Amino acid sequence: QKEVEQDPGPLSVPEGAIVSLNCTYSNSAFQYFMWYRQYSRKGPELLMYTYSSGNKEDGRFTAQVDKSSKYISLFIRDSQPSDSATYLCAMMKTSYDKVIFGPGTSLSVIP
Amino acid sequence: KAGVTQTPRYLIKTRGQQVTLSCSPISGHRSVSWYQQTPGQGLQFLFEYFSETQRNKGNFPGRFSGRQFSNSRSEMNVSTLELGDSALYLCASSLETGQGSIMNTEAFFGQGTRLTVV
Repeated sequence: QKEVEQDPGPLSVPEGAIVSLNCTYSNSAFQYFMWYRQYSRKGPELLMYTYSSGNKEDGRFTAQVDKSSKYISLFIRDSQPSDSATYLCAMMKTSYDKVIFGPGTSLSVIP
Repeated sequence: KAGVTQTPRYLIKTRGQQVTLSCSPISGHRSVSWYQQTPGQGLQFLFEYFSETQRNKGNFPGRFSGRQFSNSRSEMNVSTLELGDSALYLCASSLETGQGSIMNTEAFFGQGTRLTVV
């Protein structure tokens, strides 16, 4: 079993839809949780990160962490075609630990 | 401010050869991490360097090695290439906080080097 699991998709939604992306993990020592977006032929770029459990909002993006269930989510409101990319969850035990990535979910937002 | 620069962008090598990839971090960033990305395994951590010292290491064979120079630029080397080494190799740089810990939560990635082994 991999440390971090993520539905690979592909996920296809109409423009304006609310998108929910999810990851589960097995190591309860993870405390830092990040979401990266990767466009084709580009390196990943950080969207947001959270520490421990709770919610964090940044514009159209909301990250949720439920450590008791070992489950994290990223919600995208009012999705746009420019959101079409692969979304990678990532996590670490400490702020200077190695980063463990999920396999990524491919998202397509159809105009 | 220039981003993370990786060279070369594309590389084709023959099985058994060795290869060296280069990464120039964002100015002021002293931590450099390397990752291998493949369709089957996703993004896998190779190693991290900080102040010319390896801080963290992933689960890759000894054929994969790296180093960091005093200007924070980093190189990774793969010896005796195998077909399975074909991948996108990404490096990421991170800023050191005043307390001395590396905020890997804010890592900036380069565009990667696409290595094809034939």
